[in-house]
Amino acid sequence: DAGVIQSPRHEVTEMGQEVTLRCKPISGHNSLFWYRQTMMRGLELLIYFNNNVPIDDSGMPEDRFSAKMPNASFSTLKIQPSEPRDSAVYFCASSFEQGLSSYGYTFGSGTRLTVV
Amino acid sequence: AQTVTQSQPEMSVQEAETVTLSCTYDTSESDYYLFWYKQPPSRQMILVIRQEAYKQQNATENRFSVNFQKAAKSFSLKISDSQLGDAAMYFCAYRSESTGNQFYFGTGTSLTVIP
Repeated sequence: DAGVIQSPRHEVTEMGQEVTLRCKPISGHNSLFWYRQTMMRGLELLIYFNNNVPIDDSGMPEDRFSAKMPNASFSTLKIQPSEPRDSAVYFCASSFEQGLSSYGYTFGSGTRLTVV
Repeated sequence: AQTVTQSQPEMSVQEAETVTLSCTYDTSESDYYLFWYKQPPSRQMILVIRQEAYKQQNATENRFSVNFQKAAKSFSLKISDSQLGDAAMYFCAYRSESTGNQFYFGTGTSLTVIP
């Protein structure tokens, strides 16, 4: 398996533009997570899906952020309009969660977003 | 919300020596999982080791081992025979049934390995 695949690896965009980050989870994993990492706030959970259904989006900063998971093999995180304070590394992670059984997340390589 | 505390922002170790990274957590639950993740400069987050709280035996993965003290809510990571490739940020994480599938991460410890 190629692991969790994120694209793009780097994204530089101008303030006000729409940004779409993409993620392909590991086949067979039933949970998908979007995290944001910054120096100031560390790793923050934005949203997670279980069996393609959004379970908890309380970490999504505001209405400018939206996430979708149309099927088990693809998810997107969209920011519209983007702002300089959105600059961060965005990680996608997937896992197989069954009851309390947990084998840990597998993370993608992250997308470094810079909004100028 | 659960809290995971890593009190050492930075640590250093001589190559081939042993280093211990600290992690404490706050919970009222008896069943949960604890993890250590490594993030090298490439920024890829890599699972290092996993501990199930109901298991008394400390987890071990090659040169990496943990000291799990359930009563003290402590979960330290010991790296033996440190290598230059061990230089990275290390994050401790917690997950329980009450957190759903969400993991709570500490703020990380930056480990430098001195040749």
